[in-house]
Amino acid sequence: EAGVTQSPTHLIKTRGQQATLRCSPISGHTSVYWYQQALGLGLQFLLWYDEGEERNRGNFPPRFSGRQFPNYSSELNVNALELEDSALYLCASSPDRGRETQYFGPGTRLLVL
Amino acid sequence: GQQLNQSPQSMFIQEGEDVSMNCTSSSIFNTWLWYKQDPGEGPVLLIALYKAGELTSNGRLTAQFGITRKDSFLNISASIPSDVGIYFCAGPNSETSYDKVIFGPGTSLSVIP
Repeated sequence: EAGVTQSPTHLIKTRGQQATLRCSPISGHTSVYWYQQALGLGLQFLLWYDEGEERNRGNFPPRFSGRQFPNYSSELNVNALELEDSALYLCASSPDRGRETQYFGPGTRLLVL
Repeated sequence: GQQLNQSPQSMFIQEGEDVSMNCTSSSIFNTWLWYKQDPGEGPVLLIALYKAGELTSNGRLTAQFGITRKDSFLNISASIPSDVGIYFCAGPNSETSYDKVIFGPGTSLSVIP
């Protein structure tokens, strides 16, 4: 069974630009979660999507947004990039039942110059 | 809001030694999850605990769900170099939505061959 996949693996942008990160969940999983992990820090919850809807959001500004597609894949968009947005962005998925058990992808490392 | 604390923050041990780490919260958790993150990778779920007092093993790893529901412990026996990484505890944030999982800051483990 294929795990959670994310693309791209690395992304370099300059301040003020927009970044788009993509995630494909494990087959059969309907929920997708996004986390930000700054260097040396823990995981900060960003967004949760389920059945195409945004269900919950962490303490991040509105320039962090996303969506979930009918095939349950998801996209995270970060507008007006700032230097402190440089981090590893992790996507996780979980099945409809047992949502607390999340399975992570390898992450996208975003560097903002 | 709910927070998780992990100790120790970092550990340096000799190969073959046993390792103990713990995770505490000021609030009750109904599920405890333990993840391991290798450098540059996404966290991998090691053990999930669903019941107070539960003791669960996964190879050389053993985790326990504390009786008070406010703590959990992870032990690694006979450590090997590939045990190196950051170990996170996590649990659903029951104050808002069980689908919003919060993570501890992590315990960084280094194994000296």
